Amino acid sequence: AQSVTQPDIHITVSEGASLELRCNYSYGATPYLFWYVQSPGQGLQLLLKYFSGDTLVQGIKGFEAEFKRSQSSFNLRKPSVHWSDAAEYFCAVGARGNFGNEKLTFGTGTRLTIIP
Amino acid sequence: DAGVTQSPTHLIKTRGQQVTLRCSPKSGHDTVSWYQQALGQGPQFIFQYYEEEERQRGNFPDRFSGHQFPNYSSELNVNALLLGDSALYLCASSPGGLSTDTQYFGPGTRLTVL
Repeated sequence: AQSVTQPDIHITVSEGASLELRCNYSYGATPYLFWYVQSPGQGLQLLLKYFSGDTLVQGIKGFEAEFKRSQSSFNLRKPSVHWSDAAEYFCAVGARGNFGNEKLTFGTGTRLTIIP
Repeated sequence: DAGVTQSPTHLIKTRGQQVTLRCSPKSGHDTVSWYQQALGQGPQFIFQYYEEEERQRGNFPDRFSGHQFPNYSSELNVNALLLGDSALYLCASSPGGLSTDTQYFGPGTRLTVL
């Protein structure tokens, strides 16, 4: 069974500083990997995804993530955060079943706070 | 192009009651998945529907059931509600079929069980 670990429950970053959110996964094969963002009381918005190919993927809002198979990691980065980036961030792994991406397993999330 | 829509937005029920939540997938999507997100947690997979059949199920009791209609919309039913069922219920849709696909989420239904 797949699993996802987000070791940082809460991160505080100054506006304009760089950001890295950590994600480690456990899966028996090459996974589908995702980062979603959730604002308070809202649903999940997809930031970026990795299915195959180039291990550095670009997403929306200036985010990027790098898939490192040797480390079972898929860390999310942004060079300069904005106050509007404050939210909860979830890493997820998708199971490659007989029908494609059948279900997502999420980490417990990292809450990002931005200070002026 | 409308995204995934869910209704109602909020719902308050008492223990032992039954509840039905509704989801309309994104245009062009035929697969619907349901997730439960307890406060402070990541979403947990409940089940997935494709071609009006339950294709895969997570570790949820039989009190949780679902249905998919010919227009691909879906319902989640929860019977004999418990206090622990209080959560945000998220619906996600995807193109389905034999392909890699991304799940797009709706805004969720906040269920409170008193």
